[in-house]
Amino acid sequence: QSALTQPASVSGSPGQSITISCTGTSTDIVAYNYVSWYQQHPGKAPKLMIYDVSNRPSGVSNRFSGSKSGNTASLTISGLQAEDEADYYCTSYRSNSDLVFGTGTKVTVL
Amino acid sequence: QVQLQESGPGLVKPSQTLSLTCTVSGASVSSNNYYWTWIRQAAGKGLEWIGRIYTSGITNYNPSLKSRLIISLDTSKNEFSLNLNSVTAADTAVYHCVRESLHYYMDVWGKGTTVTVSS
Repeated sequence: QSALTQPASVSGSPGQSITISCTGTSTDIVAYNYVSWYQQHPGKAPKLMIYDVSNRPSGVSNRFSGSKSGNTASLTISGLQAEDEADYYCTSYRSNSDLVFGTGTKVTVL
Repeated sequence: QVQLQESGPGLVKPSQTLSLTCTVSGASVSSNNYYWTWIRQAAGKGLEWIGRIYTSGITNYNPSLKSRLIISLDTSKNEFSLNLNSVTAADTAVYHCVRESLHYYMDVWGKGTTVTVSS
């Protein structure tokens, strides 16, 4: 079961905006609007940040936004803060009822 | 407040069966609105979807684990369980139980339990 492709690392200075990409195929990201994003700090369980491509759960900062175009979903963090330094994972529903994760991206705040 | 708590042995011998239970509080595993799911993460690696179960008992499994995996539900105890047989060192990971929405996103996570496969 091949994973969705994310950049290994992305960095930015405080206050800047960064975007993390998540590339899939015609059987997952292209076909369904069931893309979600998770933030994971070291030693902690992941936290849901975006669901259904672009929806934010209650309590998640509006600095986090999601989008999708073709086979690529994206997570944008605006006004980057030190607390945003973490690993980020995308997921997508895939044909045959599977769920597939992205390879993960380490975000560093310079 | 919905909480999920994993329990089970932290050490399993190779070729044996890994068995974990997830106790759910603040929500019912009989709900029609959610799946109940297992996710794992090997040290220093990414997240891997293991599989899910619905209140009806219908299951979906990761194709790479399907031949070794059973996920079950105990509505009387409000729990769900994972059984993975013929384990190897590659199954060493932190295992999370998770509530998964019908739109396939995970909104509540257990803290995770570490399982090591070693003789």
